[in-house]
Amino acid sequence: SQQGEEDPQALSIQEGENATMNCSYKTSINNLQWYRQNSGRGLVHLILIRSNEREKHSGRLRVTLDTSKKSSSLLITASRAADTASYFCATVGSSNTGKLIFGQGTTLQVKP
Amino acid sequence: DAGVTQSPTHLIKTRGQQVTLRCSPKSGHDTVSWYQQALGQGPQFIFQYYEEEERQRGNFPDRFSGHQFPNYSSELNVNALLLGDSALYLCASSLNRFYEQYFGPGTRLTVT
Repeated sequence: SQQGEEDPQALSIQEGENATMNCSYKTSINNLQWYRQNSGRGLVHLILIRSNEREKHSGRLRVTLDTSKKSSSLLITASRAADTASYFCATVGSSNTGKLIFGQGTTLQVKP
Repeated sequence: DAGVTQSPTHLIKTRGQQVTLRCSPKSGHDTVSWYQQALGQGPQFIFQYYEEEERQRGNFPDRFSGHQFPNYSSELNVNALLLGDSALYLCASSLNRFYEQYFGPGTRLTVT
């Protein structure tokens, strides 16, 4: 079963705009990770945020984590057509066994 | 440095048959995890292998089994295939189970 939900399920924006995706989860976590998937192929790791962190940046990516609300958001700034993909959040439980539990994903389309 | 590789890329099987999927981890990684991703869904954890033993298992029936070899490569076996087993099967490797997972391109299994 999935850990939580992602919102929105689909997002369409113009190149240069910012894209924000949200993820909610149900149980206590050790960390939360965001992945990108192009055309139903392998997943690419984007960023990991630990339960004691509130915000993390990597290039054009900004991730926030609110453990009190059991939610996270991924912001992609100045989006490009190449950012078109599905984005998944995945959590690792507080026992930190390495098992990833994924959300349903957000499909992002960036129009040139 | 080769990343995670999986074979075959695509596979078509008939209901009731058995299938074996293969995964070679990224160099230096000793932990392999397998995930099933149905169309339009997030990946679901099947099991994880470390030191040639199954360390964790997700909510999958015993028809799903695996193996890890001394060189850390891994196989996923599915017996008595059902139509519902049609999915993208993803392998991920990590430097022990506490670290970031790197995903392979996946094997697309179609059961007819």
